[in-house]
Amino acid sequence: NAGVTQTPKFQVLKTGQSMTLQCAQDMNHEYMSWYRQDPGMGLRLIHYSVGAGITDQGEVPNGYNVSRSTTEDFPLRLLSAAPSQTSVYFCASSSQGFEQYFGPGTRLTVT
Amino acid sequence: GQNIDQPTEMTATEGAIVQINCTYQTSGFNGLFWYQQHAGEAPTFLSYNVLDGLEEKGRFSSFLSRSKGYSYLLLKELQMKDSASYLCAVSAAGGSTLGRLYFGRGTQLTVWP
Repeated sequence: NAGVTQTPKFQVLKTGQSMTLQCAQDMNHEYMSWYRQDPGMGLRLIHYSVGAGITDQGEVPNGYNVSRSTTEDFPLRLLSAAPSQTSVYFCASSSQGFEQYFGPGTRLTVT
Repeated sequence: GQNIDQPTEMTATEGAIVQINCTYQTSGFNGLFWYQQHAGEAPTFLSYNVLDGLEEKGRFSSFLSRSKGYSYLLLKELQMKDSASYLCAVSAAGGSTLGRLYFGRGTQLTVWP
């Protein structure tokens, strides 16, 4: 049981580039979320999903897209990277919306 | 909207007891969580309260008062490895918002020998 996996672990992008952060879970959880964590700001919800084909915006969705075609995968797309998107990104999954299991994180730097 | 407050930093000595407070104002409530996060790592689940009262789990206990919008995490017999950030999070209630977690900014606890 791998739990929640995220790739890549580290990424450097130039302003304007696009990329996809991958997230997968093998616990058959229906809920999946993406958070970003910035110093002094805590974890902020970007997008979340309550099941395959269903997604919704969180607190800070601008500049990010998501889709959920399978229960296992929940990729996060950065459309046109900006320095303000430099952050640590965590994916999480849960069953019934309760205890959330977090992936190891992706450390993204946009120059 | 959601507003969750907790102290930024706390310090304590090994073997002591520390209480980390969290106050919240939310539109809908489906439970309060505490997570522990060591530097450079992902948050890990510590406790969950949905009803008023105290939940005890080993050296850690968590308390909730829904009428006061208040919770605390109590850590006993502190150890050096308890130095970490402690995150208070509230789960929104109802419909498509079920499963959304709103986090406070975290309390950085430093345990001194």
